[in-house]
Amino acid sequence: EDQVTQSPEALRLQEGESSSLNCSYTVSGLRGLFWYRQDPGKGPEFLFTLYSAGEEKEKERLKATLTKKESFLHITAPKPEDSATYLCAARNQAGTALIFGKGTTLSVSS
Amino acid sequence: SQTIHQWPATLVQPVGSPLSLECTVEGTSNPNLYWYRQAAGRGLQLLFYSVGIGQISSEVPQNLSASRPQDRQFILSSKKLLLSDSGFYLCAWRRLAGGWEQYFGPGTRLTVT
Repeated sequence: EDQVTQSPEALRLQEGESSSLNCSYTVSGLRGLFWYRQDPGKGPEFLFTLYSAGEEKEKERLKATLTKKESFLHITAPKPEDSATYLCAARNQAGTALIFGKGTTLSVSS
Repeated sequence: SQTIHQWPATLVQPVGSPLSLECTVEGTSNPNLYWYRQAAGRGLQLLFYSVGIGQISSEVPQNLSASRPQDRQFILSSKKLLLSDSGFYLCAWRRLAGGWEQYFGPGTRLTVT
């Protein structure tokens, strides 16, 4: 069964303390790995799509990377406004839908 | 630019009552449309998706149904709500010709009492 697992479930950082979120996937024929940001009570906001191992995408303090078994979302020098839940999703070769992980809730304190 | 709307934003309904949630997309044609439910600690669960008017695929058997009466309108319904239907309902769209990323609406918080 296709599966996406995110770790840790929760992460607390001090402002400026860089870290990484992990997304491991077991998907038959990966056809895309997606990262979203979700603020409390709101819909997820699309961040990145990665299609092949070795690919990297960057946006401000966020950088997403992809290997054959997992993806990382690196957060460099985070600020309190980066606090949110980060969701990872994958698409397999057969599906029209995305398979989501349960997310990592990031809290950044000043 | 494209915009997705959902309403209502919040809803409190008694068990056994009917449900109708609406989603509309602006600024695009022929989108793929999706309904998800997000329950605490359980992640996003795909309920229905549609590739065109009148075309609905169900991912999870339940007492919910979906309809797509117009190209950019997607409706989630129930004849009789259960307590287990409580959750955060999200509508999403994807460009027909493009990447597979989905774009989400603001969501509807449903509480069944």
